[in-house]
Amino acid sequence: DIQMTQSPSTLSASVGDRVTITCRASQSISSWLAWYQQKPGKAPKLLIYKASDLETGVPSRFSGSGSGTEFTLTISSLQPDDFATYYCQQYNSYPWTFGQGTKVEIK
Amino acid sequence: QVQLQESGPGLVKPSGTLSLTCAVSGGSISSTNWWNWVRQPPGKGLEWIGKIYHSGSTNYDPSLKSRVTISVDKSKNQFSLKLSTVTAADTAVYYCAREYCTNVVCSPTHSYGLDVWGQGTTVTVSS
Repeated sequence: DIQMTQSPSTLSASVGDRVTITCRASQSISSWLAWYQQKPGKAPKLLIYKASDLETGVPSRFSGSGSGTEFTLTISSLQPDDFATYYCQQYNSYPWTFGQGTKVEIK
Repeated sequence: QVQLQESGPGLVKPSGTLSLTCAVSGGSISSTNWWNWVRQPPGKGLEWIGKIYHSGSTNYDPSLKSRVTISVDKSKNQFSLKLSTVTAADTAVYYCAREYCTNVVCSPTHSYGLDVWGQGTTVTVSS
């Protein structure tokens, strides 16, 4: 199985901050990576697919980059609605696997 | 727009079988999309369980494969999950989700991620 490792596990930031979350794959997954946002008690929401393609309706302050084994999710200017947990997920090969999550907290 | 709704018992006895259904509304299950189950144990991350195409083709997580069956009922526009011989470790919120695909095979090139999710249903394994 491909292991996905996110860092940091928790991130404290303020509104307006630029935030970057890293996701590393245990082997190359090309660009087959998605990012999800999850708020407490809610289902995950797709933000980005194919490493850098923004899902329809997702604000442009979210962006993704990377290929191979290292990927990043960037929020250019953190908004109050962005405090949540973020997960990366590889769909290069089965079984699909998720990172352990990064919780973005209010500083 | 497509919506998904999970349903099923919230409590299952150890060694029993967990059975959930995901109703698809606002679209046909017989599209090029694949239909997934994902779970989340309390306080933990997301775990992919498996997926199905309307033809009945499936892919499962090998760690669960011996206990999992995902099936589809095109006449009811829904798909289902059965997980046998459950233990407390199977206690989780279970989500159904659509994988948006532009091709029947849905290789990564033709996959656009898990773009529609149900609200989730909590299943507790306890006697």
